[in-house]
Amino acid sequence: ETGVTQTPRHLVMGMTNKKSLKCEQHLGHNAMYWYKQSAKKPLELMFVYNFKEQTENNSVPSRFSPECPNSSHLFLHLHTLQPEDSALYLCASSQDRGSSYNEQFFGPGTRLTVL
Amino acid sequence: AQSVAQPEDQVNVAEGNPLTVKCTYSVSGNPYLFWYVQYPNRGLQFLLKYITGDNLVKGSYGFEAEFNKSQTSFHLKKPSALVSDSALYFCAVRDGTPLVFGKGTRLSVIA
Repeated sequence: ETGVTQTPRHLVMGMTNKKSLKCEQHLGHNAMYWYKQSAKKPLELMFVYNFKEQTENNSVPSRFSPECPNSSHLFLHLHTLQPEDSALYLCASSQDRGSSYNEQFFGPGTRLTVL
Repeated sequence: AQSVAQPEDQVNVAEGNPLTVKCTYSVSGNPYLFWYVQYPNRGLQFLLKYITGDNLVKGSYGFEAEFNKSQTSFHLKKPSALVSDSALYFCAVRDGTPLVFGKGTRLSVIA
């Protein structure tokens, strides 16, 4: 596989469930990102990892828990979500060095529905 | 703080006509500017970027964008629109921090 892959592509879960989203990048990048895309709202940056270290957490509720075991894999662990958390969750990666201007490469996203 | 504005939620254009999708930005330093496109049920796809140099930047699928420092704009253009260009377009800016995206402009190209 090439590029950035995300699994699952679709997920329906209840508010008491625990699930995880997975992202894998095959581009040799060192930075990975989670974004939330809701209808009629701008793309929201959630977390940034650079060389497996979290460098950005945009005031995301603790029911979202990221994990980055290595530079190629990124997880988003979900528990006790709310219906308003239903959205498209996008993963991205880039080759970053501080104020680098390299573009980000996005995965296809996971469409999450919380019942 | 950096920000980017896309003043149009929707742009409609006839196939074969030129298209423009507008973007203005605000940064404290030199801007790095990007355009992305999102097709239905897909992630964002990089189109082009401006870092420095020539104000006219050429990108994928015949798209180009013009950087205008005095007007703080970075409008996306294409000389002749295709129906397959119909998608959601995002402008983004970076100034030493992670990308900040505009809210997106939906482009509809009508045959």
